[in-house]
Amino acid sequence: GAGVSQSPSNKVTEKGKDVELRCDPISGHTALYWYRQSLGQGLEFLIYFQGNSAPDKSGLPSDRFSAERTGGSVSTLTIQRTQQEDSAVYLCASSPRADTQYFGPGTRLTVL
Amino acid sequence: GDSVTQMEGPVTLSEEAFLTINCTYTATGYPSLFWYVQYPGEGLQLLLKATKADDKGSNKGFEATYRKETTSFHLEKGSVQVSDSAVYFCALSDNDYKLSFGAGTTVTVRA
Repeated sequence: GAGVSQSPSNKVTEKGKDVELRCDPISGHTALYWYRQSLGQGLEFLIYFQGNSAPDKSGLPSDRFSAERTGGSVSTLTIQRTQQEDSAVYLCASSPRADTQYFGPGTRLTVL
Repeated sequence: GDSVTQMEGPVTLSEEAFLTINCTYTATGYPSLFWYVQYPGEGLQLLLKATKADDKGSNKGFEATYRKETTSFHLEKGSVQVSDSAVYFCALSDNDYKLSFGAGTTVTVRA
């Protein structure tokens, strides 16, 4: 079946612009996660959704970062006023309840 | 807080060699432990997991045993192939959702 998909696969933006990253989880998976993979920080947890609620958003690095999930399905991670240190690969994962996480291919964000 | 420390790479091996990647962890509770693999150009995939002490996870010839007494979860494979070239990540979760990852170990297997 279809796996987790993310779009765009690559995004280049200028410093100060806003970006939206999209994640389509595996159908039926109630849990959704965002992580960031960067050279300096490795793989970091950002936020966790159970259904449309986000019980843990402790990993969001600043108030420029926000995420939402609608219909218990698609999620959007928004970064406002992007900075060069936001450059990274943003990974989305989903799982049925609290279980093995299945990762998408990621969105590579480059902030110039 | 929770943390994972894994051996630094890169690791370069010849085909059919024995591979070990060391992983140790720090956690407040009794976490579940995972090995994820990232093949070139692909996303993260779960390789194996163990949820309690003395459990052994295994997949594709890889094994790792959850050792509570040494807080370790070392990854081993007896005979590697070129197709095993990838980045390997050790991870833990002590709350059923948030994964904490190690820094990753790049493994290159030469024919």
